[in-house]
Amino acid sequence: AQTVTQSQPEMSVQEAETVTLSCTYDTSESNYYLFWYKQPPSRQMILVIRQEAYKQQNATENRFSVNFQKAAKSFSLKISDSQLGDTAMYFCAFMKDSGNTPLVFGKGTRLSVIA
Amino acid sequence: DTEVTQTPKHLVMGMTNKKSLKCEQHMGHRAMYWYKQKAKKPPELMFVYSYEKLSINESVPSRFSPECPNSSLLNLHLHALQPEDSALYLCASSQETYNQPQHFGDGTRLSIL
Repeated sequence: AQTVTQSQPEMSVQEAETVTLSCTYDTSESNYYLFWYKQPPSRQMILVIRQEAYKQQNATENRFSVNFQKAAKSFSLKISDSQLGDTAMYFCAFMKDSGNTPLVFGKGTRLSVIA
Repeated sequence: DTEVTQTPKHLVMGMTNKKSLKCEQHMGHRAMYWYKQKAKKPPELMFVYSYEKLSINESVPSRFSPECPNSSLLNLHLHALQPEDSALYLCASSQETYNQPQHFGDGTRLSIL
Protein backbone atom coordinates (compact mmCIF):
# COMPACT_ATOMS: atom_id res chain seq x y z
CA ALA A 1 0.00 0.00 0.00
CA GLN A 2 1.08 3.53 -0.70
CA THR A 3 1.76 5.98 2.11
CA VAL A 4 2.37 9.72 2.08
CA THR A 5 4.21 11.46 4.91
CA GLN A 6 4.25 15.17 5.67
CA SER A 7 6.60 15.63 8.59
CA GLN A 8 5.82 19.29 9.31
CA PRO A 9 2.41 19.68 11.01
CA GLU A 10 2.75 23.48 11.13
CA MET A 11 4.96 26.09 9.52
CA SER A 12 5.08 29.85 9.33
CA VAL A 13 6.74 32.27 6.93
CA GLN A 14 7.05 36.01 6.64
CA GLU A 15 5.24 37.68 3.80
CA ALA A 16 7.40 37.89 0.62
CA GLU A 17 9.75 35.16 1.88
CA THR A 18 10.18 31.64 0.50
CA VAL A 19 9.05 28.49 2.26
CA THR A 20 9.42 24.78 1.46
CA LEU A 21 6.95 22.12 2.55
CA SER A 22 8.22 18.55 2.61
CA CYS A 23 6.52 15.37 1.46
CA THR A 24 7.81 11.83 1.17
CA TYR A 25 5.97 8.79 -0.08
CA ASP A 26 6.39 5.07 -0.26
CA THR A 27 5.40 3.00 -3.28
CA SER A 28 6.56 0.08 -5.39
CA GLU A 29 4.93 1.55 -8.50
CA SER A 30 7.12 2.84 -11.30
CA ASN A 31 4.60 5.29 -12.69
CA TYR A 32 2.32 7.49 -10.67
CA TYR A 33 1.17 11.06 -10.09
CA LEU A 34 1.82 13.44 -7.23
CA PHE A 35 -0.23 16.46 -6.26
CA TRP A 36 -0.21 19.35 -3.85
CA TYR A 37 -3.61 20.60 -2.73
CA LYS A 38 -4.28 23.78 -0.75
CA GLN A 39 -7.23 24.10 1.63
CA PRO A 40 -7.73 27.64 2.98
CA PRO A 41 -10.12 28.35 5.85
CA SER A 42 -12.83 28.77 3.22
CA ARG A 43 -12.44 24.96 3.06
CA GLN A 44 -12.34 24.32 -0.69
CA MET A 45 -9.55 21.95 -1.73
CA ILE A 46 -7.65 23.65 -4.55
CA LEU A 47 -5.17 21.87 -6.81
CA VAL A 48 -1.87 23.74 -6.63
CA ILE A 49 0.46 21.64 -8.73
CA ARG A 50 0.77 18.22 -10.32
CA GLN A 51 3.80 16.08 -11.21
CA GLU A 52 3.94 12.96 -13.38
CA ALA A 53 6.55 10.51 -12.10
CA TYR A 54 7.83 9.75 -15.61
CA LYS A 55 8.73 13.41 -16.15
CA GLN A 56 12.13 14.42 -14.83
CA GLN A 57 11.44 18.13 -15.11
CA ASN A 58 10.04 19.67 -11.96
CA ALA A 59 6.56 21.19 -12.32
CA THR A 60 6.06 24.91 -11.75
CA GLU A 61 2.94 27.07 -11.47
CA ASN A 62 3.74 30.76 -11.03
CA ARG A 63 5.09 31.14 -7.47
CA PHE A 64 4.73 27.42 -6.75
CA SER A 65 7.34 24.85 -7.75
CA VAL A 66 8.24 21.35 -6.71
CA ASN A 67 11.48 19.50 -6.10
CA PHE A 68 10.71 15.96 -7.25
CA GLN A 69 13.35 13.37 -6.45
CA LYS A 70 12.07 10.01 -7.61
CA ALA A 71 14.88 7.89 -6.22
CA ALA A 72 14.48 9.47 -2.80
CA LYS A 73 10.66 9.39 -3.09
CA SER A 74 10.52 13.02 -2.14
CA PHE A 75 8.15 15.71 -3.45
CA SER A 76 8.60 19.07 -1.74
CA LEU A 77 6.66 22.24 -2.51
CA LYS A 78 8.37 25.62 -2.67
CA ILE A 79 6.32 28.77 -2.37
CA SER A 80 8.16 31.93 -3.44
CA ASP A 81 7.18 35.48 -2.52
CA SER A 82 4.67 34.21 0.06
CA GLN A 83 1.40 36.11 0.27
CA LEU A 84 -1.18 36.35 3.04
CA GLY A 85 -3.59 34.43 0.82
CA ASP A 86 -1.24 31.44 0.88
CA THR A 87 -2.26 30.80 4.50
CA ALA A 88 -3.89 27.36 4.34
CA MET A 89 -3.60 23.67 5.00
CA TYR A 90 -1.43 22.01 2.34
CA PHE A 91 -1.93 18.34 1.49
CA CYS A 92 0.45 16.20 -0.53
CA ALA A 93 -1.27 13.39 -2.42
CA PHE A 94 -0.30 10.30 -4.43
CA MET A 95 -2.16 8.45 -7.19
CA LYS A 96 -1.18 5.27 -9.03
CA ASP A 97 -1.28 5.32 -12.81
CA SER A 98 -3.90 2.62 -13.14
CA GLY A 99 -7.67 2.40 -13.08
CA ASN A 100 -9.87 3.06 -10.09
CA THR A 101 -7.17 4.04 -7.66
CA PRO A 102 -8.00 6.64 -5.05
CA LEU A 103 -5.89 9.59 -3.98
CA VAL A 104 -3.73 8.88 -0.95
CA PHE A 105 -3.29 12.03 1.15
CA GLY A 106 -0.66 13.01 3.66
CA LYS A 107 -1.77 14.41 7.02
CA GLY A 108 -1.20 17.97 5.90
CA THR A 109 0.94 20.96 6.84
CA ARG A 110 -0.70 24.08 8.22
CA LEU A 111 1.08 27.12 6.75
CA SER A 112 0.67 30.58 8.22
CA VAL A 113 1.94 33.61 6.30
CA ILE A 114 2.73 36.47 8.68
CA ALA A 115 2.58 40.12 7.67
CA ASP B 1 -15.48 30.13 -8.19
CA THR B 2 -15.62 26.38 -7.82
CA GLU B 3 -16.71 24.26 -10.81
CA VAL B 4 -18.09 21.63 -8.46
CA THR B 5 -21.16 22.92 -6.64
CA GLN B 6 -22.32 21.45 -3.36
CA THR B 7 -25.56 22.15 -1.51
CA PRO B 8 -26.32 22.91 1.21
CA LYS B 9 -23.25 24.70 2.61
CA HIS B 10 -24.29 23.89 6.16
CA LEU B 11 -26.67 21.27 7.55
CA VAL B 12 -27.77 20.60 11.10
CA MET B 13 -29.87 17.50 11.66
CA GLY B 14 -31.05 15.24 14.41
CA MET B 15 -30.16 11.59 14.60
CA THR B 16 -33.60 10.52 13.39
CA ASN B 17 -33.75 12.86 10.40
CA LYS B 18 -33.36 11.99 6.73
CA LYS B 19 -31.53 14.49 4.55
CA SER B 20 -29.53 14.56 1.32
CA LEU B 21 -26.35 16.27 0.21
CA LYS B 22 -26.10 17.29 -3.42
CA CYS B 23 -23.17 17.74 -5.77
CA GLU B 24 -23.17 18.97 -9.35
CA GLN B 25 -20.48 19.43 -12.00
CA HIS B 26 -20.71 20.48 -15.63
CA MET B 27 -17.16 19.79 -16.73
CA GLY B 28 -18.04 16.53 -18.48
CA HIS B 29 -16.18 14.54 -15.85
CA ARG B 30 -17.04 10.85 -15.67
CA ALA B 31 -15.79 10.16 -12.16
CA MET B 32 -17.27 11.60 -8.98
CA TYR B 33 -16.30 11.14 -5.35
CA TRP B 34 -17.55 11.64 -1.80
CA TYR B 35 -15.06 12.36 0.97
CA LYS B 36 -15.49 12.89 4.70
CA GLN B 37 -13.11 15.31 6.41
CA LYS B 38 -12.73 15.83 10.14
CA ALA B 39 -11.09 18.98 11.47
CA LYS B 40 -7.33 19.23 10.85
CA LYS B 41 -7.32 15.85 9.08
CA PRO B 42 -7.00 14.88 5.41
CA PRO B 43 -10.11 13.87 3.47
CA GLU B 44 -11.15 10.23 3.78
CA LEU B 45 -12.58 8.61 0.67
CA MET B 46 -16.12 7.24 1.05
CA PHE B 47 -17.40 6.44 -2.44
CA VAL B 48 -16.31 6.60 -6.07
CA TYR B 49 -18.62 6.62 -9.08
CA SER B 50 -17.23 5.93 -12.52
CA TYR B 51 -19.52 6.38 -15.51
CA GLU B 52 -22.47 6.59 -13.12
CA LYS B 53 -21.71 3.24 -11.51
CA LEU B 54 -20.45 2.75 -7.98
CA SER B 55 -16.90 1.49 -8.27
CA ILE B 56 -15.50 2.00 -4.77
CA ASN B 57 -17.24 1.82 -1.39
CA GLU B 58 -14.71 2.21 1.39
CA SER B 59 -16.67 0.18 3.95
CA VAL B 60 -18.96 3.10 4.71
CA PRO B 61 -21.88 2.42 7.11
CA SER B 62 -25.24 1.90 5.44
CA ARG B 63 -26.64 5.05 7.04
CA PHE B 64 -24.80 6.79 4.16
CA SER B 65 -26.34 5.97 0.78
CA PRO B 66 -24.86 7.42 -2.42
CA GLU B 67 -26.74 7.94 -5.64
CA CYS B 68 -25.62 9.07 -9.10
CA PRO B 69 -28.75 10.01 -11.11
CA ASN B 70 -26.72 11.13 -14.13
CA SER B 71 -23.19 12.02 -15.11
CA SER B 72 -23.44 15.53 -13.66
CA LEU B 73 -25.10 14.83 -10.33
CA LEU B 74 -24.09 12.99 -7.19
CA ASN B 75 -26.20 12.70 -4.05
CA LEU B 76 -25.45 11.42 -0.59
CA HIS B 77 -28.54 10.34 1.35
CA LEU B 78 -28.27 10.47 5.12
CA HIS B 79 -30.38 8.57 7.63
CA ALA B 80 -30.03 7.83 11.35
CA LEU B 81 -26.64 9.47 11.60
CA GLN B 82 -24.54 9.49 14.75
CA PRO B 83 -22.80 12.48 16.40
CA GLU B 84 -19.43 11.16 15.18
CA ASP B 85 -20.66 11.65 11.62
CA SER B 86 -20.38 15.42 12.10
CA ALA B 87 -17.76 16.55 9.59
CA LEU B 88 -17.13 18.38 6.34
CA TYR B 89 -18.36 16.34 3.38
CA LEU B 90 -16.50 17.05 0.17
CA CYS B 91 -17.53 16.15 -3.34
CA ALA B 92 -14.95 15.92 -6.13
CA SER B 93 -14.88 15.03 -9.81
CA SER B 94 -12.27 14.09 -12.40
CA GLN B 95 -12.26 13.24 -16.09
CA GLU B 96 -11.52 9.62 -15.32
CA THR B 97 -10.72 7.68 -12.14
CA TYR B 98 -7.03 7.40 -12.96
CA ASN B 99 -4.18 9.79 -13.71
CA GLN B 100 -6.45 12.84 -13.64
CA PRO B 101 -6.53 15.47 -10.91
CA GLN B 102 -9.66 15.77 -8.83
CA HIS B 103 -11.56 19.03 -8.57
CA PHE B 104 -13.27 19.63 -5.25
CA GLY B 105 -16.37 21.50 -4.19
CA ASP B 106 -16.63 23.78 -1.17
CA GLY B 107 -18.12 21.04 0.95
CA THR B 108 -21.13 20.70 3.23
CA ARG B 109 -20.52 21.27 6.93
CA LEU B 110 -22.72 18.66 8.66
CA SER B 111 -23.57 18.77 12.35
CA ILE B 112 -25.49 15.95 14.02
CA LEU B 113 -27.32 16.86 17.20
